[in-house]
Amino acid sequence: RKEVEQDPGPFNVPEGATVAFNCTYSNSASQSFFWYRQDCRKEPKLLMSVYSSGNEDGRFTAQLNRASQYISLLIRDSKLSDSATYLCVVKLWGKLQFGAGTQVVVTP
Amino acid sequence: EPEVTQTPSHQVTQMGQEVILRCVPISNHLYFYWYRQILGQKVEFLVSFYNNEISEKSEIFDDQFSVERPDGSNFTLKIRSTKLEDSAMYFCASSVDGQWAFFGQGTRLTVV
Repeated sequence: RKEVEQDPGPFNVPEGATVAFNCTYSNSASQSFFWYRQDCRKEPKLLMSVYSSGNEDGRFTAQLNRASQYISLLIRDSKLSDSATYLCVVKLWGKLQFGAGTQVVVTP
Repeated sequence: EPEVTQTPSHQVTQMGQEVILRCVPISNHLYFYWYRQILGQKVEFLVSFYNNEISEKSEIFDDQFSVERPDGSNFTLKIRSTKLEDSAMYFCASSVDGQWAFFGQGTRLTVV
């Protein structure tokens, strides 16, 4: 079983729509959770941390379900600039473990 | 805005040659990492470094790899004898507290 699993997509989203996707992780000892964004051939950039109570940053909402070991990201009012690969990242001990990413394509 | 800087941006090397990838982490950060991403694949952890020593390494980080922090600012990754399968984007990252990390723009290594 992969340590961090994501639906690779692509999720094709009309501009202004809402899109949501999940990620699952295998190790219940995982300590911290993040969503990173990666544009084509660029470095990963932190989008937001994910807290147990759920948290929101503008149009982005993240949720964590420790019991079921999944993390979700919801993007409201999608912009063309939201087109990217979204990486689910789990911290276990001294390292960040990355999922393979979910590709989101926002279309006009 | 402070950033992690990596040099060179692109390195082409012949199989069997040694390469050194260089990184300048953000100045007040204490945790340093190397990751790699083979084209079309996920970001993979190589090694973490804290308090002047390796704190964790993956199975990818074998005897061909080494890291150094030769002075107060640089953090290097050396690959002693490159193989074709070492071709990838190598990302350096740093963290102030060992939680989320900031990534450099990467060095694209091409082994021919």
